Amino acid sequence: DAGVIQSPRHEVTEMGQEVTLRCKPISGHDYLFWYRQTMMRGLELLIYFNNNVPIDDSGMPEDRFSAKMPNASFSTLKIQPSEPRDSAVYFCASSLAGGPSEQYFGPGTRLTVT
Amino acid sequence: DQQVKQNSPSLSVQEGRISILNCDYTNSMFDYFLWYKKYPAEGPTFLISISSIKDKNEDGRFTVFLNKSAKHLSLHIVPSQPGDSAVYFCAASPWMETSGSRLTFGEGTQLTVNP
Repeated sequence: DAGVIQSPRHEVTEMGQEVTLRCKPISGHDYLFWYRQTMMRGLELLIYFNNNVPIDDSGMPEDRFSAKMPNASFSTLKIQPSEPRDSAVYFCASSLAGGPSEQYFGPGTRLTVT
Repeated sequence: DQQVKQNSPSLSVQEGRISILNCDYTNSMFDYFLWYKKYPAEGPTFLISISSIKDKNEDGRFTVFLNKSAKHLSLHIVPSQPGDSAVYFCAASPWMETSGSRLTFGEGTQLTVNP
């Protein structure tokens, strides 16, 4: 299995632009998670899905952030409009169904907003 | 409110010696704990876990200890190897069988193992 795939690996954009991050989870995994890593806050959960349905989006910072999972093999995290404080590494992770279990992370997307 | 805290941002040890990474938590609902390792430019990878019904779990060179009364867990690496140099994250979750694996992570500890 190829593991969790994220694209792009690096994104540099100007303030005010729309940014879309993409994720392909491991085949057969029922849960998909979006995290953000910053120096100040460490790894924080933004949103997670179960069977393509958003379960908890309480970590989404504000309305500028949105996430979708149109099918079991694809998810997007969109920031519109982007701001410099959104600069971070964004990770996608997936896991099997049922109870606490290890999550498998993608390599991350490093976002820089200038 | 940081529910999972790793108070040491960095740790440096000699190759062959023991590395001890610590983690404290405040939420008494946490029942399952995990350690992840992260190399630069890669995502975190799962290392070892422990549920609250145990106080120790061992996997090769890695052992995790859980002290529920103190809300404290630690990861021991013996013997430490240069390849262990990475950022280690502690994570915790309540055991909720129907609602998935919502993990809360600590800030991470950078471990450096010197040859």
